[in-house]
Amino acid sequence: GAVVSQHPSWVICKSGTSVKIECRSLDFQATTMFWYRQFPKQSLMLMATSNEGSKATYEQGVEKDKFLINHASLTLSTLTVTSAHPEDSSFYICSALRLAGAYEQYFGPGTRLTVT
Amino acid sequence: AQTVTQSQPEMSVQEAETVTLSCTYDTSENNYYLFWYKQPPSRQMILVIRQEAYKQQNATENRFSVNFQKAAKSFSLKISDSQLGDTAMYFCAFMKNFGNEKLTFGTGTRLTIIP
Repeated sequence: GAVVSQHPSWVICKSGTSVKIECRSLDFQATTMFWYRQFPKQSLMLMATSNEGSKATYEQGVEKDKFLINHASLTLSTLTVTSAHPEDSSFYICSALRLAGAYEQYFGPGTRLTVT
Repeated sequence: AQTVTQSQPEMSVQEAETVTLSCTYDTSENNYYLFWYKQPPSRQMILVIRQEAYKQQNATENRFSVNFQKAAKSFSLKISDSQLGDTAMYFCAFMKNFGNEKLTFGTGTRLTIIP
């Protein structure tokens, strides 16, 4: 149990276009999901906290107009990178918080974004 | 704000040996969770072990155990009988309890198991 999926796993887009990444909790409901960014050989950097039915909370330095987050249901959160630029190329990871029993985040497999 | 420090960027050990990864953290909270996550080359984050701060007993999961020293704010991971599949990045992480479930990660330790 406690499986989180991400789609797509890998995407290439042209500079100036937008790309949407989906994060789904497959077998549990998640009122809270998190979006991370990871550069090569570095740690995970939290971008934002996504709460079902409300606006996302962004970490300091993260452009909310560039990284749009929507958490429309208890099993789905989306991250849209708008007007993507090559510097947005990165590995994006989502996680979902399962509250049953103990606080624990379950991670998706990640999405590799390459902007050309 | 919480900080998590992993002072060993890279480590290597022979297969079947025991290795200990270090982690220290700084917080003013009394109730919190600590985690060790493994990230293999596939980049899927995998929970290795979890420790609740209010529990004095150190957590264990098969070959993995922790040495939790709350007063010293230290949380090391011991891997016994290391296996080739243990080769991965290991991240120590901190989570506040009750209402703020953000994870704060350390910089990671790259562990290589040598055959």
